[in-house]
Amino acid sequence: RKEVEQDPGPFNVPEGATVAFNCTYSNSASQSFFWYRQDCRKEPKLLMSVYSSGNEDGRFTAQLNRASQYISLLIRDSKLSDSATYLCVVNWGNQGGKLIFGQGTELSVKP
Amino acid sequence: GAVVSQHPSRVICKSGTSVKIECRSLDFQATTMFWYRQFPKQSLMLMATSNEGSKATYEQGVEKDKFLINHASLTLSTLTVTSAHPEDSSFYICSANGGTGDGAGGPDTQYFGPGTRLTVL
Repeated sequence: RKEVEQDPGPFNVPEGATVAFNCTYSNSASQSFFWYRQDCRKEPKLLMSVYSSGNEDGRFTAQLNRASQYISLLIRDSKLSDSATYLCVVNWGNQGGKLIFGQGTELSVKP
Repeated sequence: GAVVSQHPSRVICKSGTSVKIECRSLDFQATTMFWYRQFPKQSLMLMATSNEGSKATYEQGVEKDKFLINHASLTLSTLTVTSAHPEDSSFYICSANGGTGDGAGGPDTQYFGPGTRLTVL
């Protein structure tokens, strides 16, 4: 089992659509969870942290289920500018901040 | 917000040469910096964790004699790819742990540099 596993992509959706990304992780000792966004040939940028209570930032909603070791990201009312690769990232337990990245899910929002 | 810079942004070199990449935290002190490598269509793979004033911790499969890491100050870490070969061509990205209280994503948040694209001919 991969350490952090994401939905395979790409996701091709029309503008205005709602899209959901799923992610599972294998290390039950993980404490911190994130979604990063990476544009083509650029560095990853933090989109949002993920908390057990769930959190929302505008059109983006992240959920965490520790029992199932599952993380999700929901994007509502997709914009063309949302086209990017979305990376599920997990802090790997007590290893001094080590982050493990999922393979990423590519999103393409079309007009 | 926390800013991390990398230099150079792009390098093209001949096989056998050594390449040095710098990673700087511009407005905060980073006790820990991380070096990643990303091949096309793949995700970031952690190469090593660099702690200021001590030896870097390398991930399994990463040759420490080939990828030399120095973290001499709280704002600078360097990665030197020694005797680079075409298979070392990749996107190298550093990140810095912003420490506590930064408010931007919690104490575990890492801030990424813009990356260095290395092409070895």
